[in-house]
Amino acid sequence: DVKVTQSSRYLVKRTGEKVFLECVQDMDHENMFWYRQDPGLGLRLIYFSYDVKMKEKGDIPEGYSVSREKKERFSLILESASTNQTSMYLCATPASNTGELFFGEGSRLTVL
Amino acid sequence: QKEVEQDPGPLSVPEGAIVSLNCTYSNSAFQYFMWYRQYSRKGPELLMYTYSSGNKEDGRFTAQVDKSSKYISLFIRDSQPSDSATYLCAMSRPYNTDKLIFGTGTRLQVFP
Repeated sequence: DVKVTQSSRYLVKRTGEKVFLECVQDMDHENMFWYRQDPGLGLRLIYFSYDVKMKEKGDIPEGYSVSREKKERFSLILESASTNQTSMYLCATPASNTGELFFGEGSRLTVL
Repeated sequence: QKEVEQDPGPLSVPEGAIVSLNCTYSNSAFQYFMWYRQYSRKGPELLMYTYSSGNKEDGRFTAQVDKSSKYISLFIRDSQPSDSATYLCAMSRPYNTDKLIFGTGTRLQVFP
């Protein structure tokens, strides 16, 4: 079974703080994604990566950056957290043949 | 207009009821259709996967795709309290199968 691990399940940060969200997958997949999930808006793609050191903007990249130094690890960075970034953040990696997305359990971030 | 529309619910039904969950979409290029189930405080997990039009059955779950009407459905027979979750539809285009477009999700509660 594919395992996608998000190390921080719940975080509370203050406005202006730098926030790191880490995601690790154990299936040697090349593609990894970061989504945020908000009520009434569903899942929105922030950034994705098709390979180490490669990144592409998704639909809502503003205020975020990412890092992919190793194949299994994809980090989402909020350089200066704002209250409108309070959300559930989900990391995912797709199966290569079907495109099925395997999600982590999510990181719920609250910015005060 | 959103590419994928889904009634957010909540939908509350008694145990044993037949549940119908639906999504409409606007992009006729979508060929792959999925239903994800998301329990509270967890990441989504794939429930059903369908290519193009037709029906697919898996135990108590049936997925239907009507491409002519741009309408997909998930039916749950003999619903159980353990089916209480948010159900997300998702779809993608050929050659871009890992770029899923999600509905906003329908929250379902099955009461004993």
